[in-house]
Amino acid sequence: EDKVVQSPLSLVVHEGDTVTLNCSYEVTNFRSLLWYKQEKKAPTFLFMLTSSGIEKKSGRLSSILDKKELFSILNITATQTGDSAIYLCAPSNAGNMLTFGGGTRLMVKP
Amino acid sequence: DTGVSQNPRHKITKRGQNVTFRCDPISEHNRLYWYRQTLGQGPEFLTYFQNEAQLEKSRLLSDRFSAERPKGSFSTLEIQRTEQGDSAMYLCASSPRVGAEAFFGQGTRLTVV
Repeated sequence: EDKVVQSPLSLVVHEGDTVTLNCSYEVTNFRSLLWYKQEKKAPTFLFMLTSSGIEKKSGRLSSILDKKELFSILNITATQTGDSAIYLCAPSNAGNMLTFGGGTRLMVKP
Repeated sequence: DTGVSQNPRHKITKRGQNVTFRCDPISEHNRLYWYRQTLGQGPEFLTYFQNEAQLEKSRLLSDRFSAERPKGSFSTLEIQRTEQGDSAMYLCASSPRVGAEAFFGQGTRLTVV
């Protein structure tokens, strides 16, 4: 059975801190790994990673995938209160079906 | 086109009633997915369509659940004889092709009382 584990479950930091969120997975017919940010309603897309070792970057966020060790990390530098959200990791299989982890709840305090 | 649209946004129903939700995907996205999310959990896959064909269904999708996408555009998800355990957020997502990222709608929050 496909399995996705995210850690930590929750995290409280202060503005300006750097955080690292972890995702380990076991998925049959793995195709890619996606990260989403969920605030109140819909998960919003952050990154899609298909190749090992290539960092994707968007502003203060970056992510990398290790297909040999079956994990990914999401880094956020210089955190802001607007980064407070649940971050979801979701590997996809050949059919584009996403298997979501339980998420990491990040709270950034002023 | 402003993204994936779901209706209604909220639905409260009595146990035993039938409910139907609608999802309008992003225009020209041929893949459409339904997920269910309960409090404190990540979304769980229910089913997906490529155009009008339903290609995969999760074992979470009991006989009381049925989904359609009759013309390969919008989709409906119907739950018959609702139970309290069906209370959840039902999310729809679409993507333009295999291997592309999926974009989610705002969801329909169902409460069964």
